[in-house]
Amino acid sequence: AQSVTQPDIHITVSEGASLELRCNYSYGATPYLFWYVQSPGQGLQLLLKYFSGDTLVQGIKGFEAEFKRSQSSFNLRKPSVHWSDAAEYFCALSGGYQKVTFGTGTKLQVIP
Amino acid sequence: EPEVTQTPSHQVTQMGQEVILRCVPISNHLYFYWYRQILGQKVEFLVSFYNNEISEKSEIFDDQFSVERPDGSNFTLKIRSTKLEDSAMYFCASSERGEAFFGQGTRLTVV
Repeated sequence: AQSVTQPDIHITVSEGASLELRCNYSYGATPYLFWYVQSPGQGLQLLLKYFSGDTLVQGIKGFEAEFKRSQSSFNLRKPSVHWSDAAEYFCALSGGYQKVTFGTGTKLQVIP
Repeated sequence: EPEVTQTPSHQVTQMGQEVILRCVPISNHLYFYWYRQILGQKVEFLVSFYNNEISEKSEIFDDQFSVERPDGSNFTLKIRSTKLEDSAMYFCASSERGEAFFGQGTRLTVV
């Protein structure tokens, strides 16, 4: 069975500080990995994805994520957080054309 | 850029009523999905659909739920007799080459 774990339910960072959101997965092979962002009451916006190749992937809004097979991790990073980054972030995986399995999400609060 | 379109964006229905949520997937995609997100919780898989039949469904997708592709463009989710606990955001998705594209969701409120 495939699963995604986001160990941090809620994270607070100061504006301008760096950010790292953790994601661990369980899957029998190399999965497709995704990070989505969701503002309250809104839909899911894809930040970035990893299918294969370079393990450091760049996304929109200055986000990046690194796939580490040995640690079964796909952590999301941003060097300098902006107040508009406050939202909920979901890590997700799929095995190709199979369903997408989401983590429980991490709520990001940005303080001035 | 092609996108998945869902209608309506918000629907309020009385308990026990039938609702149909509609989705227009991206035109050349062959795999279709419905997901549900109860307020404050994670996104949960409901069902996947390929070649005009269900390919996988979750425990949530019981006999009260059904999906249909009535024509070449629409993909619908029907809930036969809504319960209060069906209140949630419902997301449709379609995929090609392993990447799922999500619609903006339909917020269903059962009163």
